[in-house]
Amino acid sequence: DGGITQSPKYLFRKEGQNVTLSCEQNLNHDAMYWYRQDPGQGLRLIYYSQIVNDFQKGDIAEGYSVSREKKESFPLTVTSAQKNPTAFYLCASSIAGHETQYFGPGTRLLVL
Amino acid sequence: AQSVTQLGSHVSVSEGALVLLRCNYSSSVPPYLFWYVQYPNQGLQLLLKYTSAATLVKGINGFEAEFKKSETSFHLTKPSAHMSDAAEYFCAVGDSGSARQLTFGSGTQLTVLP
Repeated sequence: DGGITQSPKYLFRKEGQNVTLSCEQNLNHDAMYWYRQDPGQGLRLIYYSQIVNDFQKGDIAEGYSVSREKKESFPLTVTSAQKNPTAFYLCASSIAGHETQYFGPGTRLLVL
Repeated sequence: AQSVTQLGSHVSVSEGALVLLRCNYSSSVPPYLFWYVQYPNQGLQLLLKYTSAATLVKGINGFEAEFKKSETSFHLTKPSAHMSDAAEYFCAVGDSGSARQLTFGSGTQLTVLP
């Protein structure tokens, strides 16, 4: 089955710690996206990538970093600079130049 | 800049009643418009999309939406609600640039009462 997988489902972060969220897709999509979801605020774009080895900041990139070394993978690192990381994180992908995005199941990040 | 407004953060309907979820958008160019549904602790699932073909768009699970340019609206409807429709619904507008970014509304939580 083609699709987007995100792991882990739940992730706990200690103060001052960097954590990495995984996103993998086998849809052969060129573009990938990371969103943050907070209650009552919809989804906000963190980073996106349209091609391997290239990525762009979204609306709320501060405190986050990404890499795009492979077409199928787009990991997100939540750094210690992100002071309010508790949220639901969603990864999405799309065919390059196409408007429809498909979403993974999400990772919930909690702070200990 | 694009924006999306979803009127009503919570909507309750009785089972079998009409579902109407409201979405208004602002966009300087003809938009792409989407409705997504999210069940608890899950990702978003595409319900339907408008891409400048027919103004009445039919989606999955009996939902449909009508694009009204004069009202800058894209309201989501379903003639008869089912218990399984209880979820959060998001309206989104996509730009026509190369990045194809989406701007989401804040969501509407639909409750279906027995």
